[in-house]
Amino acid sequence: DTAVSQTPKYLVTQMGNDKSIKCEQNLGHDTMYWYKQDSKKFLKIMFSYNNKELIINETVPNRFSPKSPDKAHLNLHINSLELGDSAVYFCASGGQGADTQYFGPGTRLTVL
Amino acid sequence: EDQVTQSPEALRLQEGESSSLNCSYTVSGLRGLFWYRQDPGKGPEFLFTLYSAGEEKEKERLKATLTKKESFLHITAPKPEDSATYLCAVQGTGGFKTIFGAGTRLFVKA
Repeated sequence: DTAVSQTPKYLVTQMGNDKSIKCEQNLGHDTMYWYKQDSKKFLKIMFSYNNKELIINETVPNRFSPKSPDKAHLNLHINSLELGDSAVYFCASGGQGADTQYFGPGTRLTVL
Repeated sequence: EDQVTQSPEALRLQEGESSSLNCSYTVSGLRGLFWYRQDPGKGPEFLFTLYSAGEEKEKERLKATLTKKESFLHITAPKPEDSATYLCAVQGTGGFKTIFGAGTRLFVKA
C-alpha cells in the first residue's frame, strides 16, 4: 500500500501553460505539505494544510495555489508556468508539531 | 531565523570505514530535529527524530546524537547500500515550519 502518492511522476510542459499535481495520503494524517526541491537539492516548504485549513504559506508566487478537498488530498495548481518553476515537487503528510513527515515519490516538473 | 547547515557536502568512504555527518542548527527553541535519507529519484525517507540535547537514537549502522547546537549522524562500518543523501531538518517552537539543510551526499565504495 502506497502511503503518500503523487501524480504525475514526470511533467514536461511549455512556458505559460497551467498544470496541476495531485497528492493523496492513506495514513490518516491531519497535515499535508508541499515542498520544492531545486537543482541544488535544497528542500523548501511551500504550503501546509491541517484538516483542510492553510497553516503555512511561504513566500511563493501567487501563480501557485494549493487546494485541499479533504484531509487525505492536497493538490497543487500552477498558473502561467515559468522556466524557474522547473524542479521536483514533493508532497508529504504527518502530524502537526515535531512529528515524522512521510514523503511522496516526487513530481519532476520541466518547463520548456 | 531558523537555519540548518550540513557538512561535509559530500563524503566518500570505503566499505567498513566509519565516519560522521554534521548538522549545525540555529533555532528559537527546538521542537524537534529530524534525519532523513534520500535516494536518487525518490522522496526523503524518515530515519530519526531527536527532541532534546543528550538524546541518542540508533538504527542498524546509524546512530544520531544531539547537542544544543548540532547533531551528528554516525555511520559505523558502512556498506555500499548506505550510499544516499542524508538530510537534516529542524522545527522550532515558533511555528510548524520544518527547515531542511542542503544534505550530505554519501558514497560508499566496495
